[in-house]
Amino acid sequence: AQTVTQSQPEMSVQEAETVTLSCTYDTSESDYYLFWYKQPPSRQMILVIRQEAYKQQNATENRFSVNFQKAAKSFSLKISDSQLGDAAMYFCAYRTSGSRLTFGEGTQLTVNP
Amino acid sequence: DSGVTQTPKHLITATGQRVTLRCSPRSGDLSVYWYQQSLDQGLQFLIQYYNGEERAKGNILERFSAQQFPDLHSELNLSSLELGDSALYFCASSVSLRDQETQYFGPGTRLLVL
Repeated sequence: AQTVTQSQPEMSVQEAETVTLSCTYDTSESDYYLFWYKQPPSRQMILVIRQEAYKQQNATENRFSVNFQKAAKSFSLKISDSQLGDAAMYFCAYRTSGSRLTFGEGTQLTVNP
Repeated sequence: DSGVTQTPKHLITATGQRVTLRCSPRSGDLSVYWYQQSLDQGLQFLIQYYNGEERAKGNILERFSAQQFPDLHSELNLSSLELGDSALYFCASSVSLRDQETQYFGPGTRLLVL
């Protein structure tokens, strides 16, 4: 079974600074998709960014980018120019055939003004 | 707003009772997923439907059941409720079964069993 591990239960960053959230996963599949979801205090699950495993290029969405290392099974999220609105729980998720999402435990990000 | 709606937003009930959670997927989405988020178990996949048919089951208890109706809305039925069933229940939808399709989440139903 696939597993997703987020080793940082909590992280903090100063406003305007950069922070990196870590995620590792375990799979025997070669074709899969990785996601980062954000869960603010409202508890809504919001997609932040998506990476296809067959793509070597790291995904980028505005201030959010990933460092995808397929051989190492690592998928970290970098948030640049952090804003107060970035404060949330961040979940790394994995998806392969069968289409269910497998989530990590989450990292609670605090942004300090 | 993801376009996925869930009702009710909050539900408070007693042990032993039965409740029904409702989900309406985004317009055009055929696939519906149910997830449970609890403090001790994290975010877990429960069950998936595609165009009215059950496609996959996760860690769903036998006391729980679901269905997807011809208009594609889905219901999750929880019976003989226990304190440990208190959780946030999410519905998500996607257009198809293709892995690259993003799952869009509804706002969730917060269930409290007393």
